Amino acid sequence: EAGVAQSPRYKIIEKRQSVAFWCNPISGHATLYWYQQILGQGPKLLIQFQNNGVVDDSQLPKDRFSAERLKGVDSTLKIQPAKLEDSAVYLCASSLSSPYIKTEAFFGQGTRLTVV
Amino acid sequence: GESVGLHLPTLSVQEGDNSIINCAYSNSASDYFIWYKQESGKGPQFIIDIRSNMDKRQGQRVTVLLNKTVKHLSLQIAATQPGDSAVYFCAEIYTGRRALTFGSGTRLQVQP
Repeated sequence: EAGVAQSPRYKIIEKRQSVAFWCNPISGHATLYWYQQILGQGPKLLIQFQNNGVVDDSQLPKDRFSAERLKGVDSTLKIQPAKLEDSAVYLCASSLSSPYIKTEAFFGQGTRLTVV
Repeated sequence: GESVGLHLPTLSVQEGDNSIINCAYSNSASDYFIWYKQESGKGPQFIIDIRSNMDKRQGQRVTVLLNKTVKHLSLQIAATQPGDSAVYFCAEIYTGRRALTFGSGTRLQVQP
């Protein structure tokens, strides 16, 4: 079974530039998550989709971050404009979780973003 | 508040010994818990999960214990191997939410 695919693996940008990350979840997984992991910390949820609808984006800095999941499959996360504190690994995950059952999330390898 | 924390940031063990990684959670409404392993440069990898109606679950070389009275979770790794060296996170999902909340992690170092 193919895992969660993310690209690019690494990205270096200057502050105030924009950047986009792409995620392809495991086939059949309706739930997709974007997490931000700052060095030395646990992942922090940015946004959760159920199919192509947003379930939770309470921790997404909406003034600069945006995400979409068109057709309920692939997803993109965008940062515009980037700040130095956005340097982190951005992890995409997917799961079979539903309102009725909780299951584990499967993670991609992440995109390491460095803002200089 | 909704926080998941760990007692020890770094745990060093000898190869072949048993390892115990602890985690305290603060949300009494949490009903599903997962342990993840994260190696350098990789995403978190599922190890084992446990639901709140259980107090123990065993996998291959791993056991998770849940004590809801004191809101404590532990991961036991038997016969620790060098390949077990990684950062371990406990994560929880609480009623009304479907996304995992992660703690800050414990680094396990296995000495040969």
